[in-house]
Amino acid sequence: ETGVTQSPTHLIKTRGQQVTLRCSSQSGHNTVSWYQQALGQGPQFIFQYYREEENGRGNFPPRFSGLQFPNYSSELNVNALELDDSALYLCASSLAGGSPKNIQYFGAGTRLSVL
Amino acid sequence: SQELEQSPQSLIVQEGKNLTINCTSSKTLYGLYWYKQKYGEGLIFLMMLQKGGEEKSHEKITAKLDEKKQQSSLHITASQPSHAGIYLCGASPGSARQLTFGSGTQLTVLP
Repeated sequence: ETGVTQSPTHLIKTRGQQVTLRCSSQSGHNTVSWYQQALGQGPQFIFQYYREEENGRGNFPPRFSGLQFPNYSSELNVNALELDDSALYLCASSLAGGSPKNIQYFGAGTRLSVL
Repeated sequence: SQELEQSPQSLIVQEGKNLTINCTSSKTLYGLYWYKQKYGEGLIFLMMLQKGGEEKSHEKITAKLDEKKQQSSLHITASQPSHAGIYLCGASPGSARQLTFGSGTQLTVLP
């Protein structure tokens, strides 16, 4: 049990729609990272938020956007869904500058299916 | 960008057998993380290695980071069905903002 919770657990959308995924970070953590994991692959970094600011972004188009709130929870928004967006979306929280350094603790993920 | 290659891609062993999973990086490793994932679920943190030559153990799992800091190995002694899952290595660049992951090793332990 990592203390990182994600909602919803499963989601089905159609192509072109928009989706919002939510993540509550572990108590005391100030950094949230989002990853996309396609079937049979390792997670791919989408972006990271630290103190409500984007703090690094992977190779994902602008239709992937995010927010971090004052309580350090976070949202991932995806606009104009495409079939290839079908994946497991993982949220990880960490404490920037903490010790042991930068260990990311993951939630159980949201399984998104785009039809 | 840093790339991680894991081998083997999949492994089937009989309960009680030892096994090793390797993770090779295209660049020097500044932080190497091992995670375990049950199919379709989140990642569970196992161990983190930072220094060349470092070795850590947890229960029957031992991880090492080689001296040249471009390869790590995960060794499981006397495997059990509970060890089954996908093992992922992740590495952080110097800034440690993000993790780059290998594609994983699927471990099956037969009772």
